[in-house]
Amino acid sequence: QKEVEQDPGPLSVPEGAIVSLNCTYSNSAFQYFMWYRQYSRKGPELLMYTYSSGNKEDGRFTAQVDKSSKYISLFIRDSQPSDSATYLCAMMGTGRRALTFGSGTRLQVQP
Amino acid sequence: DTGVSQNPRHKITKRGQNVTFRCDPISEHNRLYWYRQTLGQGPEFLTYFQNEAQLEKSRLLSDRFSAERPKGSFSTLEIQRTEQGDSAMYLCASTSGREDQPQHFGDGTRLSIL
Repeated sequence: QKEVEQDPGPLSVPEGAIVSLNCTYSNSAFQYFMWYRQYSRKGPELLMYTYSSGNKEDGRFTAQVDKSSKYISLFIRDSQPSDSATYLCAMMGTGRRALTFGSGTRLQVQP
Repeated sequence: DTGVSQNPRHKITKRGQNVTFRCDPISEHNRLYWYRQTLGQGPEFLTYFQNEAQLEKSRLLSDRFSAERPKGSFSTLEIQRTEQGDSAMYLCASTSGREDQPQHFGDGTRLSIL
């Protein structure tokens, strides 16, 4: 079993919809949680970076972390066709500096 | 802030050849990471440097792989005697090293083995 599980999709939504993306994990040592967006043939681009449990909002994006359930979410409000990409969750413990990624969810926003 | 730069963007080579990739991190970032990403998967950690010191290597980094960061600035990743299974996107990331600072990625080098 992988340390980080993420539904690969594809997830197809109409423009303007609220999108919910999720990851579960098994390693209780993870303390830092990130969401990256990756367009085809490009590198991951950081969207959200949170420490421990709680919510963080940045524009149309909200990240939630529930450490008790080992579950993290990314919500995208008023989704746009330009949001069509693969979304990767990533995590890191305090002692180890390497990121552990989910396999990514492919999102398609239909105009 | 010019971002993380990786060269070349795409490398095509025959099986058994050696290849070398270069990564230029964001200036003043003292930590530099290499990851490998195959189709439909998330990036997997290979190795990382703090300044010129290589501090951790993944089990994915076989003895055919070697990474260097000679002056604590740019880094190179060399693969010797390439195999079909080495075909992947090789990503470089950098950070200042503070725990509250995330890793920023380059656009990668895509390696295709014929």
